Amino acid sequence: DAGVIQSPRHEVTEMGQEVTLRCKPISGHDYLFWYRQTMMRGLELLIYFNNNVPIDDSGMPEDRFSAKMPNASFSTLKIQPSEPRDSAVYFCASSDLAGGYNEQFFGPGTRLTVL
Amino acid sequence: EDQVTQSPEALRLQEGESSSLNCSYTVSGLRGLFWYRQDPGKGPEFLFTLYSAGEEKEKERLKATLTKKESFLHITAPKPEDSATYLCAVPHNYGQNFVFGPGTRLSVLP
Repeated sequence: DAGVIQSPRHEVTEMGQEVTLRCKPISGHDYLFWYRQTMMRGLELLIYFNNNVPIDDSGMPEDRFSAKMPNASFSTLKIQPSEPRDSAVYFCASSDLAGGYNEQFFGPGTRLTVL
Repeated sequence: EDQVTQSPEALRLQEGESSSLNCSYTVSGLRGLFWYRQDPGKGPEFLFTLYSAGEEKEKERLKATLTKKESFLHITAPKPEDSATYLCAVPHNYGQNFVFGPGTRLSVLP
């Protein structure tokens, strides 16, 4: 398996623009997580899905952030409008429950810079 | 509130100098403690899961141990390629989401 795939790897945009980050989880995994990592706040969970359904979005900073999972092999995280404070590395991770709490497999991340 | 802290924040070792990293957690009903390694510019990579106090897991020069309040990641005779940030995480007391610690940045000098 290719692992979790994220695109783009780097994104530079200007304040006010819409940004869409993409993720393809590992095939067969039924949980998908979106995280944001910054030096100040570390790794923070934004939202997670189970079987394509959002379960907990309490980590989403504000209404400018939205996430979708239209099918088991694709998810997007959208920021509209983007702001400089959104600059961070965004990770997607997936896991399968398999009867317990299992390790999450992370993608390589998208480094977002908002100017 | 579930919390995870890690110490030290950063650690510099000479090659071959063994040491330990600490992960302390506050969670009601531990459902596992996870260790990850993160290299610069990459996503965290899973190392170990520990489920009960007294449990130990080993992988090459790394050994993870667990007590009721903390976990240690022991590094024996480290090599420069062990340089990375080590993160620990625990599942929230509800759902499948994890709480991650801030990490320990390890540098092993040749």
